[in-house]
Amino acid sequence: SQTIHQWPATLVQPVGSPLSLECTVEGTSNPNLYWYRQAAGRGLQLLFYSVGIGQISSEVPQNLSASRPQDRQFILSSKKLLLSDSGFYLCAWSVSSGSTDTQYFGPGTRLTVL
Amino acid sequence: AQTVTQSQPEMSVQEAETVTLSCTYDTSESNYYLFWYKQPPSRQMILVIRQEAYKQQNATENRFSVNFQKAAKSFSLKISDSQLGDTAMYFCAFNGGSQGNLIFGKGTKLSVKP
Repeated sequence: SQTIHQWPATLVQPVGSPLSLECTVEGTSNPNLYWYRQAAGRGLQLLFYSVGIGQISSEVPQNLSASRPQDRQFILSSKKLLLSDSGFYLCAWSVSSGSTDTQYFGPGTRLTVL
Repeated sequence: AQTVTQSQPEMSVQEAETVTLSCTYDTSESNYYLFWYKQPPSRQMILVIRQEAYKQQNATENRFSVNFQKAAKSFSLKISDSQLGDTAMYFCAFNGGSQGNLIFGKGTKLSVKP
């Protein structure tokens, strides 16, 4: 069966510091990978998605970036965090089948920028 | 633009009773998928049920079922025999793109009371 991991689970960082969040998937090959952000009391906003190694699409321009160095690894980064980067970050995976995918989510990372 | 609207920010139901959560969406696509996700206090997003637009039969998963009205662009979730563990935020989501990008509603907070 497939599992998805995210770490760290919780992170408190000062403004201007760098960020690295990691997501890994087990039990499947060549998954589509996604990064979402959920601000307090709101729905999910898609940040990045990747259909393969080194292939990253950005949905929202911001000071965040994503990379996919390995087939089942997806990293969310920032060189300098802003207060507005605080939120709950969710990674998701899917496998393309037919016309659409079903996405499965990881446990998430709670980021607080002070 | 594709949008998803959940008009009920909060709902409550007594244990063992039935509750229906509403969702409407807007799209010009003819083939798409709709999902309901549950986010308990742990904040992990859990897939509850999915519906394929080309299927007329409403999807069912144990105590969860949907009422899909394609012409009205309505996709409601019915929870039967509500349990305390059903307490969570419920998000309706739409997928009509080739990349599988999900568009989420803002969620409905459901409280199941003993």
